[in-house]
This record gives sequence, C-alpha cells and structure tokens, in this order.
Amino acid sequence: EIVLTQSPDTLSLSPGERATLSCRASQIVRSNYLAWYQQKPGQAPRLLIYGASSRDTGIPDRFTGSGSGTDFTLTISRLESEDFAVYYCQQYGSSRTFGQGTKVEIK
Amino acid sequence: QVQLQQSGPGLLKPSQTLSLTCVISGFSVSRNSWDWIRQSPSRGLEWLGRTYYNSKWYNEYAESVKSRITVTADTSKNQFSLQLNSVTPEDTAVYYCTRSVQWGAFDIWGQGTVVTVSS
Repeated sequence: EIVLTQSPDTLSLSPGERATLSCRASQIVRSNYLAWYQQKPGQAPRLLIYGASSRDTGIPDRFTGSGSGTDFTLTISRLESEDFAVYYCQQYGSSRTFGQGTKVEIK
Repeated sequence: QVQLQQSGPGLLKPSQTLSLTCVISGFSVSRNSWDWIRQSPSRGLEWLGRTYYNSKWYNEYAESVKSRITVTADTSKNQFSLQLNSVTPEDTAVYYCTRSVQWGAFDIWGQGTVVTVSS
C-alpha cells in the first residue's frame, strides 16, 4: 500500500498570503495519478486537482498542483477567506489511498 | 448536473450488516466507476471499494475490508450499493458514495451518511 504523508499538519497564514502544501508518497505514484481535495467542516471533500496538475472544472487558477514521482505540491497563490480548510492528497496509481490532511487556518 | 443521494440506517449493533444505497441523477451508472469511501477521526479518509461496467460488471475492494464488503450496481434504478458485513465499533464513520473519473479521482460526492456501531 502506498502511504501518503502530508506536511505540515497545520499551516497558519493570513488572507493574501501564499500557501504551499506537500504530499510525499512511500513509493512512486504511477503516471502521477495524484489528486488534491479541499474539505470544509460538515461537507464532503471537493476535488481540486487530478493527474498531479490538472484543475477540475470550476477550480480557480490560484490553485496549482505540481510534482511527480513521490513528491507533490499544492500551491494556493493568494489565500482568500473561503480557502481556509483541510486539504488532502490522494493517489490512484495503486489502489487508492489518502494522506492525513493539512489544515490551513487563519493566522 | 450529476448528483448522488445516499440513504441507509445510521445506527447498527456489532455483528450486523451495514447497507447503504446511492441514487445517481444526471448520469448513467453504466459509465465511469462508482466508489465508497469512509472517514473517521481514527482512520482518516479510507477508500473501501468500487464497481464499474466494461462489457460486464467488475469490482475492486480495499484489502482492509475485502472479506466483508460487497458493492453492487442496479441499472434499472440507476443506483449502487454498499454492504459491509459483521460490523464492529471500528466501522463507525461517515460513509460517502462517489463517482470516479480520470482513472481514480473522485469528482462527485454524496452528502455523507453518519454510521455509528454501538451495542
């Protein structure tokens, strides 16, 4: 099973700042089959990025996914109030597994 | 607009069978893959299994629940279902049905069902 480790656990930032979230896989993720999700309290996760770098429909371009192999990054260029949430990475190159999440909170 | 509507009981006793159904609107169950995922504080987000049609129906299950899980589709009702046998308190979680796209990313989610297993 591919284990995904996200860092940091919590990111404290102000609106307008840049957020950089990391996701490291225990093995190479086949074909960069890596997705990112945003989850707010009481809601289901929302797909942001698939294939490591492709935005899902309607996702603002301030969200950027990058990386390959075992190291992946989600960057939020300028945080808006609605971006404060928990973010998860997920791989689907070998079965499907999720990271433990990174909470982006208001500083 | 594709939507998923979940239904099923929220309280079970240990050893009972968890049964959830997900009705699909705006899309055919015979296209794409349809998955079940659960979320709990102790286990985080955990993929459980899926069903998909490719000339015939196929299933794939997580090793952690493989001996207890069944995912099926009903084309006449355009829905799919989860059955998890012999539940324990460790199966307490929010259960989600989802649509899988692009080989395994989950783009549409149901509203979630809180399932509690307690004697």
